[in-house]
Amino acid sequence: NAGVMQNPRHLVRRRGQEARLRCSPMKGHSHVYWYRQLPEEGLKFMVYLQKENIIDESGMPKERFSAEFPKEGPSILRIQQVVRGDSAAYFCASSPPSNEQYFGPGTRLTVT
Amino acid sequence: GENVEQHPSTLSVQEGDSAVIKCTYSDSASNYFPWYKQELGKRPQLIIDIRSNVGEKKDQRIAVTLNKTAKHFSLHITETQPEDSAVYFCAAKLMNSGYSTLTFGKGTMLLVSP
Repeated sequence: NAGVMQNPRHLVRRRGQEARLRCSPMKGHSHVYWYRQLPEEGLKFMVYLQKENIIDESGMPKERFSAEFPKEGPSILRIQQVVRGDSAAYFCASSPPSNEQYFGPGTRLTVT
Repeated sequence: GENVEQHPSTLSVQEGDSAVIKCTYSDSASNYFPWYKQELGKRPQLIIDIRSNVGEKKDQRIAVTLNKTAKHFSLHITETQPEDSAVYFCAAKLMNSGYSTLTFGKGTMLLVSP
């Protein structure tokens, strides 16, 4: 059983470009969570999704950020018109109904 | 919403010593408390968790204690080794609630010196 997969592992974007981060949950997991981690800081919750539904997006900025978890395929976190302050590690986690969350390896976004 | 405070922010110990990290939470309805270990540049990994129906759980050199009345829980690592050096995060969550998520503490950087 493969763990949570994320790609790309490293992403460099110029200011104003779009960033797309992908997360494939563990097999059998139907809950996906996205977190942002700034250097030497903790994990900040962004959004919680189940298949085809956004359950809680209270941690996600209202503008430029969006997330989806389609019926088929990975969950996508999309950041439009990136700015330098978006540079961070973005972690995805997935969980079964029993609620233990398992993290992917993260995508390190650098905005130049 | 839930708020989790974690102390200390950094902790340095000698190999073989014990290390204790403490967290407090604000929502008395929270009933699931995991601990994650994150090595430099790697993903957070679940190392132990406790549910509110027990007061203590142990797994080899690590243990977690929970005081529901005081709303605090602690991670204890005994006989520390250099490979225990990492950032440790505590978290709190209301289990089996489809509309609740993990709230993390800010982390403790543990440095174990040989």
